Amino acid sequence: GEDVEQSLFLSVREGDSSVINCTYTDSSSTYLYWYKQEPGAGLQLLTYIFSNMDMKQDQRLTVLLNKKDKHLSLRIADTQTGDSAIYFCAERDMRFGAGTRLTVKP
Amino acid sequence: DTGVSQNPRHKITKRGQNVTFRCDPISEHNRLYWYRQTLGQGPEFLTYFQNEAQLEKSRLLSDRFSAERPKGSFSTLEIQRTEQGDSAMYLCASTQPRGDNTGELFFGEGSRLTVL
Repeated sequence: GEDVEQSLFLSVREGDSSVINCTYTDSSSTYLYWYKQEPGAGLQLLTYIFSNMDMKQDQRLTVLLNKKDKHLSLRIADTQTGDSAIYFCAERDMRFGAGTRLTVKP
Repeated sequence: DTGVSQNPRHKITKRGQNVTFRCDPISEHNRLYWYRQTLGQGPEFLTYFQNEAQLEKSRLLSDRFSAERPKGSFSTLEIQRTEQGDSAMYLCASTQPRGDNTGELFFGEGSRLTVL
């Protein structure tokens, strides 16, 4: 999606933290979303953040939102091999970024 | 199964033929989206419906593509005179936007189109 940009690849070692970044353009987005797509599977909502929040933590996941810079990030702590997937950022109108392929090496 | 259902799961067709995909959303969801996804790309928005009304259609969508949701339940996406560039996964998603929920999209597993 031209309105949502992400870096395409990220490779980390098991146990490290992963940080996936996204920039968006629609400043009116009420919610911003992270979806996960595992190989051969459909997209599933991973987490989301309401636009009046700066941070949201959900177990190993931390979402940071910088509204001024229209920057969203997803941090995965203690990354596991099962976290290997493509992660998509999406904004209010359900426009998606191209996805970041996370590869976790043992 | 109460999830979003799409069929057929895979369609192989020759260039120039017409194809139709069907999506059955989650029953209480009034909003339905169609996306196209090619390898290495994110879902590209095609169109969406609120009940039976088609509220938005991507500027990138050629007039060979048409979508309907006649009774506000299932939807069909038809591609006429298919071209090789139409080969992709066609994704359907539904949601029930309300003031008290996040508008999470629930995706089907997709219909893969291969145009020879």
